Amino acid sequence: QVQLQESGPGQVKPSQTLSLTCTVSGVSIGDGASYWSWIRQHPGGGLEYIGYIYYSGDTYYNPSLKSRATMSLDNSKNQFFLKLTSLTAADTAVYYCARGVAVVIAPSPRGTNFFDPWGQGTLVTVSS
Amino acid sequence: DIVMTQSPDYLPVSLGERATINCKSSQSLLYSSNNENYLAWYQQHPGQPPKLLIYGASTRESGVPGRFSGSGSGTDFTLSISGLQAEDVAIYYCQQYYRPPYTFGQGTKLDIK
Repeated sequence: QVQLQESGPGQVKPSQTLSLTCTVSGVSIGDGASYWSWIRQHPGGGLEYIGYIYYSGDTYYNPSLKSRATMSLDNSKNQFFLKLTSLTAADTAVYYCARGVAVVIAPSPRGTNFFDPWGQGTLVTVSS
Repeated sequence: DIVMTQSPDYLPVSLGERATINCKSSQSLLYSSNNENYLAWYQQHPGQPPKLLIYGASTRESGVPGRFSGSGSGTDFTLSISGLQAEDVAIYYCQQYYRPPYTFGQGTKLDIK
């Protein structure tokens, strides 16, 4: 079955850049039926959508991140990545990668998706 | 952004009874071209990632027990759990995928009364 696993540093200093990796197994990230996504969960429990990368390299980022996020992928390793710059304490969260299951008919010209499955998540703490 | 609001925040229910969680969106999630609602429900146990239960407002994901059901259309949706079992204690989230950025409700904590 499809599985995802996040990896990255547990703690990052303010103003630095966070780099996370998501390793996918059970399906090729080039399958064309998935939007490879990042979602974070703040300490209070709220879930925030970060964005996705499609196998073609097309990306979407939540405007709330004010252009701090960049995603990329490596088909040969079946991995995709998130970089988040200029970190503050407000970026402290559990970061999840997830497969966005593409929906055939979508209201948005970009397509749309829900999330299944999710990785186990990795806690990132921004602190000096 | 589409705002998703769940009610209640906390729901105590007796074992074997029915639990009902509501989710309201600030804009309609119904796409007129195919009459589908772009609304999903997730279950999250402590220390675990969210798990997809329902998509399209009412379609159960494969492997999800039949006691879970989703209903609603437009801006008002409901997740029902009939015959509550101990393993259903969790936080439940709704999510709209009608338009990015995709947004989630604040969560409803379901507990045993």
